[in-house]
Amino acid sequence: TQLLEQSPQFLSIQEGENLTVYCNSSSVFSSLQWYRQEPGEGPVLLVTVVTGGEVKKLKRLTFQFGDARKDSSLHITAAQPGDTGLYLCAGAPTSGTYKYIFGTGTRLKVLA
Amino acid sequence: GAGVSQSPSNKVTEKGKDVELRCDPISGHTALYWYRQSLGQGLEFLIYFQGNSAPDKSGLPSDRFSAERTGGSVSTLTIQRTQQEDSAVYLCASSLAGGNLYEQYFGPGTRLTVT
Repeated sequence: TQLLEQSPQFLSIQEGENLTVYCNSSSVFSSLQWYRQEPGEGPVLLVTVVTGGEVKKLKRLTFQFGDARKDSSLHITAAQPGDTGLYLCAGAPTSGTYKYIFGTGTRLKVLA
Repeated sequence: GAGVSQSPSNKVTEKGKDVELRCDPISGHTALYWYRQSLGQGLEFLIYFQGNSAPDKSGLPSDRFSAERTGGSVSTLTIQRTQQEDSAVYLCASSLAGGNLYEQYFGPGTRLTVT
């Protein structure tokens, strides 16, 4: 069974600080997605990474897919209260699959 | 345009009762997914519909769970004889087509509490 472990589970930081969230597995994934979920809402897709070593930037968010396509990281620069939420990674075991494996999430709180 | 909608937003039911959860996908989206999100857990795949193909029910945890999709649009997830372990947020998502090339758009979920 493929699993995605996220760390840390919880993170509380001050506005302006930087942080990194990790998503790790012993299995290879065809692609990996990152979502943000706010209370009472469904997850919203932030990015999809496909190629090993790929780096994508979305404003202050930087996403990286590991060279071996087994892990990924999300780095936030100068965090803002609006970044507060649950961050989920989701891996596609094979290309074209519709069955993603979701991580357990990292709950981020950014204090003003 | 309208996103994915789900109803009810909250449902409290007694153990042993049946419940129906509804999902209205984005118009024109042929793929529809149901997930379960328990406290402190990630999303657990339940069932997948794609067009007129037979649904993939491999994620349904027991035969108390069933789902249907009428006319390729609205979907209903039914849980019979609810148990306390069924308490969770049930999320529905739709995408233009199936597969990881297409973005999934999620509804706000139905929070189910079984007392």
